[in-house]
Amino acid sequence: GDSVTQMEGPVTLSEEAFLTINCTYTATGYPSLFWYVQYPGEGLQLLLKATKADDKGSNKGFEATYRKETTSFHLEKGSVQVSDSAVYFCALSALNSGNTPLVFGKGTRLSVIA
Amino acid sequence: NAGVTQTPKFQVLKTGQSMTLQCAQDMNHNSMYWYRQDPGMGLRLIYYSASEGTTDKGEVPNGYNVSRLNKREFSLRLESAAPSQTSVYFCASSWDGGQFRGANVLTFGAGSRLTVL
Repeated sequence: GDSVTQMEGPVTLSEEAFLTINCTYTATGYPSLFWYVQYPGEGLQLLLKATKADDKGSNKGFEATYRKETTSFHLEKGSVQVSDSAVYFCALSALNSGNTPLVFGKGTRLSVIA
Repeated sequence: NAGVTQTPKFQVLKTGQSMTLQCAQDMNHNSMYWYRQDPGMGLRLIYYSASEGTTDKGEVPNGYNVSRLNKREFSLRLESAAPSQTSVYFCASSWDGGQFRGANVLTFGAGSRLTVL
């Protein structure tokens, strides 16, 4: 079945450091890919998405590029801030697979220290 | 604009007790979902409803029942709570024409923290 694998955390970075959170997927067809973020005490919210190969999703300084050849959707940010401390989830929505909801990775906790 | 509202936010139950988690959305979304979040396990789908009047099992449905009361409301019931059901529960909704294919985007509630003693 469809699945998403994320790098395990926690990830701890100093403010202004470069961030990469790896995400790879397994899916039939051509899924849409998402990154969701969960701030402490809150529900998940969409951070960015990409719907086809080579698309780049971006928001709040975060970017991820849909790489079909490596089945990856790695999340990057050039300079993290303390306010980016959260749990990040990679997810996919499979196309042409009937009524199948989003599949989430296990999440990666990011802590940014000043 | 309230989005997705879940009640209660916190609940403590004893083993064997029953309770219902309520969820309502005001975005006219077709699809609604219940997930549970446990440390190291990420989000796991319990049940979902693609449209009013339909429900389907997700990855971990055992011990739960759901009701799609109308387009706005989707409740999750624990008939006989067990310590293994201690978790944070999230309701979510999406508009996708009643299907999951395509670039559907979920809107989540703030979560309900349930402890079963």
